[in-house]
Amino acid sequence: GAGVSQSPSNKVTEKGKDVELRCDPISGHTALYWYRQSLGQGLEFLIYFQGNSAPDKSGLPSDRFSAERTGGSVSTLTIQRTQQEDSAVYLCASSLRLAVSSYEQYFGPGTRLTVT
Amino acid sequence: GQQVMQIPQYQHVQEGEDFTTYCNSSTTLSNIQWYKQRPGGHPVFLIQLVKSGEVKKQKRLTFQFGEAKKNSSLHITATQTTDVGTYFCAGLRHLLETSGSRLTFGEGTQLTVNP
Repeated sequence: GAGVSQSPSNKVTEKGKDVELRCDPISGHTALYWYRQSLGQGLEFLIYFQGNSAPDKSGLPSDRFSAERTGGSVSTLTIQRTQQEDSAVYLCASSLRLAVSSYEQYFGPGTRLTVT
Repeated sequence: GQQVMQIPQYQHVQEGEDFTTYCNSSTTLSNIQWYKQRPGGHPVFLIQLVKSGEVKKQKRLTFQFGEAKKNSSLHITATQTTDVGTYFCAGLRHLLETSGSRLTFGEGTQLTVNP
């Protein structure tokens, strides 16, 4: 079946511009995560959606970052007034659910964001 | 701050040598997962450990979960060039402040294998 898809795959933007990154999770997965990965670094948690619960936004680095998940499916991560330090690969992952036990996360291919 | 620590950050081995990466948490974990990320790729799930002291094997890979459920290790026997990549552990812990759960990734161990 189809995996997690993300678009665009690459995005080059000028400093100060806003960008929107999109994630289409695997159908039926109620949990969706956004991570940021700088070159050669680990995964930095940004935000987590679980069903209809309030999202866990504790990883968002500043108020320039926001994310939505419409209809429990597609999610968009918005970065306003981009800065050069925002340059990274933004990874989206989905899983069946996260409760007492956890299910494996399926990652999308990522969006490589470059802020010039 | 970082809740899951992973060491070493980098490891270079000759093909055929063994490799081990260690994952340590400051808090007790419900379970732990391991992922592999090939250069230029995205993380791919390898395995999940749930029980205290659990040991699982996948061919040349051996995964262990500590008795206290605070640490884990991944050991690769006789590395091959196909093992190149970054190995991440991810621990599930419950958040008392939100009554939710969080899967927290370690920083990863980047493995290079010289043929």
